[in-house]
Amino acid sequence: KAGVTQTPRYLIKTRGQQVTLSCSPISGHRSVSWYQQTPGQGLQFLFEYFSETQRNKGNFPGRFSGRQFSNSRSEMNVSTLELGDSALYLCASRSSTGNTEAFFGQGTRLTVV
Amino acid sequence: SQQGEEDPQALSIQEGENATMNCSYKTSINNLQWYRQNSGRGLVHLILIRSNEREKHSGRLRVTLDTSKKSSSLLITASRAADTASYFCATDSGGSYIPTFGRGTSLIVHP
Repeated sequence: KAGVTQTPRYLIKTRGQQVTLSCSPISGHRSVSWYQQTPGQGLQFLFEYFSETQRNKGNFPGRFSGRQFSNSRSEMNVSTLELGDSALYLCASRSSTGNTEAFFGQGTRLTVV
Repeated sequence: SQQGEEDPQALSIQEGENATMNCSYKTSINNLQWYRQNSGRGLVHLILIRSNEREKHSGRLRVTLDTSKKSSSLLITASRAADTASYFCATDSGGSYIPTFGRGTSLIVHP
């Protein structure tokens, strides 16, 4: 079984721009969660999607949004980028919302300059 | 905000020694998991322990859970240089089952 695939692996963007990150979960997994990892804040939960619906949301501003497609692939969008958005963005898939074990992708390293 | 907090923040040992990391959390949990992260990469699931379990083993890993103290420990026996990584505990509670992570323990194993 292929693992969780995140693209791109690295991104450099300028303040004020927007960015879209992509995540393909493990085949058969319908839950996709997004996390932001920074040295200062650690791993922070952004949101979770299941069956194309946002099920849970962390404490992030509305500039952070996401969606999930019918094939369970998910995208995360950050608009009006700020320097503080520089982070490793991790996607995790779970087989169902009742199963806590998460499988992570390699992450997308976003640098905002 | 973090649910779990790992201790110590950093640990440096020699190959062959045992490494012990601790995790404390604040609210009642369904499950507690430990993950490993190699530098700048994704997290790898190591072991899950349910709230009604007290101890679990997986290879060289031993995890204990004390729900009365709201704490867990991860023991890596006979450590190897390849164990060098950051280790995170994650808890889930209520009905969401979404793991919430601590800040991690950075482990360095010197060959």
